[in-house]
This record gives sequence, C-alpha cells and structure tokens, in this order.
Amino acid sequence: DAKTTQPPSMDCAEGRAANLPCNHSTISGNEYVYWYRQIHSQGPQYIIHGLKNNETNEMASLIITEDRKSSTLILPHATLRDTAVYYCIVRENNNAGNMLTFGGGTRLMVKP
Amino acid sequence: DAGVIQSPRHEVTEMGQEVTLRCKPISGHDYLFWYRQTMMRGLELLIYFNNNVPIDDSGMPEDRFSAKMPNASFSTLKIQPSEPRDSAVYFCASSSGLAGGLTDTQYFGPGTRLTVL
Repeated sequence: DAKTTQPPSMDCAEGRAANLPCNHSTISGNEYVYWYRQIHSQGPQYIIHGLKNNETNEMASLIITEDRKSSTLILPHATLRDTAVYYCIVRENNNAGNMLTFGGGTRLMVKP
Repeated sequence: DAGVIQSPRHEVTEMGQEVTLRCKPISGHDYLFWYRQTMMRGLELLIYFNNNVPIDDSGMPEDRFSAKMPNASFSTLKIQPSEPRDSAVYFCASSSGLAGGLTDTQYFGPGTRLTVL
C-alpha cells in the first residue's frame, strides 16, 4: 500500500508555477521521495527524487520539509504538455527495495 | 537508445485464449518490472526480475499469469487462459539498479493495451 497522500486533482494556469503537494508522514530515514508522471496513454516517466535536500533538474524542483514528512513538486512554468497524473512515491534506495508502489496520484490539468 | 520496447501495442483476444506480451529492456539494465494498470486498481507491480531471475512475484494475480526472462534482453508475460477481467494496460519497465540505487530510475515502455472479450 502506498505510503503517500496526494490531492486527487489540481488545476494550474499555463505559464504559472504548478505546486504539487505530497504527505509522507511515516517516511523512514533511509527512504527517498520519488516523483513520476504519466501523460495520457503513455508509460510513467521519472521526474526527480530526493532524500532530504531540495533538488532541481531540468524538469522540476523538489522541496522536502525539514522533518521530511511532506514534499512539494514544483513545475516552474507549466505548459499544456504538463497535463498528466503525478505520482509521489516513497521507497528505499537499495537493491532489495527496488519496487515502486504507485498510489492514486494527482491529476494536474494545465489550462490555457 | 530506443528505450524499453513492448509488443504488441494493442491486443484483442477472446476469453480462454493464450496471450503473450513481450518486453525488451534498455540494454545494460539489470532489473525488469511488469506492471498492470486498470481504472479500478491503478498501477500495480506484478513481478520483477534481477539479472534474469524473478525476485518478487507476489503481485501476480493468479496461476494463469506467468513471466519469464530467458536472457537479459527479453521477457514475456503470459496469460493462459485469458479472462475479460485481465483487460488492462500492461507496462514493462527496466532500471540499472546500481548499488546504492541512487541512479536506479525505472524507465517505462509504452505499454500493451489488452482487451479480452
């Protein structure tokens, strides 16, 4: 069962920042926070992951609270192509814990 | 790199028939995963392999489902006999699973949409 809680849906205006929250209050010290997204009719796509420091890459930024019980994925300038279901996943980052458990995710609708 | 390749992309079959789904992982990846996605249950892990060996098949729904990985570049998921409730999109994913796993991002294929009539 998923260890995360996300709002089922969100809207965002095109060109604005999309901030997607995720609660993971039972996260343990060796568990990472991963974000994937799934655009309609495609396979899930990796976005970013982090342990406790904030992370940024070409797709997004990940902000993890100091107590690590929640995080926010930020798409700085959302486009229509960012419309997708976004999954927040908590997992150990070792060979024994290689599975991803997907929850319901947040359906982000970017509107013109 | 072509990414994870799955075939067929669409499969329509009748109840009771055998269905075989195929996956070619990214070259050099040691882990291969099979997922199933339905509206009711979302995305579920069925089984995964490490170096061609099945590690965890607890997600395989029934004995009608079987998966094999005869070599590092090919895996199959077979359903025999198929039933209408098996209708879903089946995804294959692979990862490099480096020690420590800091770069073991899973890369997903485009999926096979299975319809069992």
